Amino acid sequence: EIVMTQSPATLSVSPGETATLSCRASQSVSSNLAWYQQKPGQAPRLLIYDASTRATGIPARFSGSGSGTEFTLTISSLQSEDFTVYYCQQYDDWPPLTFGGGTKVEIK
Amino acid sequence: EVQLVESGGGLVQPGRSLRLSCAASGFNFDDYAMHWVRQAPGKGLEWVSSISWNRAYIGYADSVRGRFTISRDNAKNSVYLQMNSLRAEDTAFYYCAKMSSGYSYGYFDYWGPGMLVTVSS
Repeated sequence: EIVMTQSPATLSVSPGETATLSCRASQSVSSNLAWYQQKPGQAPRLLIYDASTRATGIPARFSGSGSGTEFTLTISSLQSEDFTVYYCQQYDDWPPLTFGGGTKVEIK
Repeated sequence: EVQLVESGGGLVQPGRSLRLSCAASGFNFDDYAMHWVRQAPGKGLEWVSSISWNRAYIGYADSVRGRFTISRDNAKNSVYLQMNSLRAEDTAFYYCAKMSSGYSYGYFDYWGPGMLVTVSS
């Protein structure tokens, strides 16, 4: 099983600034990595797939990078609706598909 | 517009069974794998089970294998999760999720709103 580790668990950032979230895989997942945003009381929403491709309708301030075992989600010019929880997920190996533990982006 | 609507959740006693359903619309259901993902209250996401478009590839998390069974009815655009021998640790929000492809590995491009299953006496 590929273990996904996200850091930090909580990230404090001021509105308008840039948030950088990390996701590490226990073995290479190539570029088979997705990022999701989950707001309280809602289902997750796909942000990024194939490590760096934005999903339909996702603003350009969200960007993904990385390959192999190290990945980054960057959120620039943070807006109020961006302060929530983010998960990474690998799909290089199945079963199982595995998620990271999540990073909460909070207002500083 | 893609829509996924779960039903069948609720309160159930330990050791009992429950069957979850997910009705899909807005896409060609026959072409895509479908998954169940769960989230215990206040916790992270856990993949539970998946079924490919043609039922040839079915998978389960170790935590549910032997107790849960996934199935699909392409004529009814629906996917199901039969949950037997339920335990307190199965308490979670259960999400139906559409895979990005017909096979069971990929990313989830659409999710249902989720449904709470509570296992308690």
